[in-house]
Amino acid sequence: NAGVTQTPKFRVLKTGQSMTLLCAQDMNHEYMYWYRQDPGMGLRLIHYSVGEGTTAKGEVPDGYNVSRLKKQNFLLGLESAAPSQTSVYFCASGRGTPHGYTFGSGTRLTVV
Amino acid sequence: DAKTTQPPSMDCAEGRAANLPCNHSTISGNEYVYWYRQIHSQGPQYIIHGLKNNETNEMASLIITEDRKSSTLILPHATLRDTAVYYCIVRVASGGGADGLTFGKGTHLIIQP
Repeated sequence: NAGVTQTPKFRVLKTGQSMTLLCAQDMNHEYMYWYRQDPGMGLRLIHYSVGEGTTAKGEVPDGYNVSRLKKQNFLLGLESAAPSQTSVYFCASGRGTPHGYTFGSGTRLTVV
Repeated sequence: DAKTTQPPSMDCAEGRAANLPCNHSTISGNEYVYWYRQIHSQGPQYIIHGLKNNETNEMASLIITEDRKSSTLILPHATLRDTAVYYCIVRVASGGGADGLTFGKGTHLIIQP
């Protein structure tokens, strides 16, 4: 039982490049989330999904797109990376309130 | 969701009980109190949650005051590995809680040897 797996763990991008972060969970959770965390700050919600084929915007969605084609996978895309998107990205999944979420170990992205 | 207030940092001696306070004076009757922690550079880890009654699991105990306006997370025998940022989050119980958790800045707990 791997829980929530994020790939890649580290990535350096040049400004304007695109990339996709993959989040995979093996707990059959309905809900999945993408957060970003900047130095010294709490986590901020980018996008989330309440089930296969659904997505919704969180607090800071600009510059990102997401897709949930399969229940177990939640993809976060950056179409044209900017230095402001340098951050640590965390994926989480859950069954909904009142249950807790399970988080992945993070993807450290640097945009130069 | 109701706002929470936590001290920015706390120290605790190894082997002693760590008591982390959280104020949530505007909490509604249908909102749960959740605690997560984040050890340096790792993803947040769920610890415990509660609605009205005190709760205990293998990691910690959660004490909620009778008026529900504050709570305390207790780590009974703190170890150096408990050094982390601890987040207290209030979340509505109904509606599936689908739209995510709101994380504040939390309390940086430092366990001293």
